[in-house]
Amino acid sequence: EAGVVQSPRYKIIEKKQPVAFWCNPISGHNTLYWYRQNLGQGPELLIRYENEEAVDDSQLPKDRFSAERLKGVDSTLKIQPAELGDSAVYLCASSLDFGTDTQYFGPGTRLTVL
Amino acid sequence: SQQGEEDPQALSIQEGENATMNCSYKTSINNLQWYRQNSGRGLVHLILIRSNEREKHSGRLRVTLDTSKKSSSLLITASRAADTASYFCATKFSGGYNKLIFGAGTRLAVHP
Repeated sequence: EAGVVQSPRYKIIEKKQPVAFWCNPISGHNTLYWYRQNLGQGPELLIRYENEEAVDDSQLPKDRFSAERLKGVDSTLKIQPAELGDSAVYLCASSLDFGTDTQYFGPGTRLTVL
Repeated sequence: SQQGEEDPQALSIQEGENATMNCSYKTSINNLQWYRQNSGRGLVHLILIRSNEREKHSGRLRVTLDTSKKSSSLLITASRAADTASYFCATKFSGGYNKLIFGAGTRLAVHP
């Protein structure tokens, strides 16, 4: 069974530039999560999707971050414009549904903003 | 903000020794989970313990939960170099949906 796929694995950009991350969850998983993990810290939830609906985006900085999950499968997280403080690892995870406790994580995208 | 706090922040041991990591949390939980993260990779689910359970085993892993003290411990027995990773506890609030709150993690180094 294929796991959660993320791309790119690494991204280096100048501040004020836009950047996008892509995630393909495990087939059949209805719930998709985006997390941000700062250096030396645990992941923090940015947004959760149930199918194509964003049901928890309370931690998403909406002035510069946006996300979409068209057709309820793969998802894109965008930052525009990026700031120095956005440097982090962005993790995507999926679970079968909102009631399932185990989340499966992708390898993440390491973003460096110069 | 992160609810769970792991202790110690870093742990260095020799192969064959046991490693114990602790996690404390602040509010009532539905369950507590432990995840492992190898360098440069995503998190892998290790074990889940529910609030009505006190101990759980999985291979060389043993997890305990003390809800009165709001704490959990992860014991890795007979450690191997391949166990070198960061270990995170993640809590799911009581009554909440499937939102996990992660701690800052314990960085374990197992030396051959």
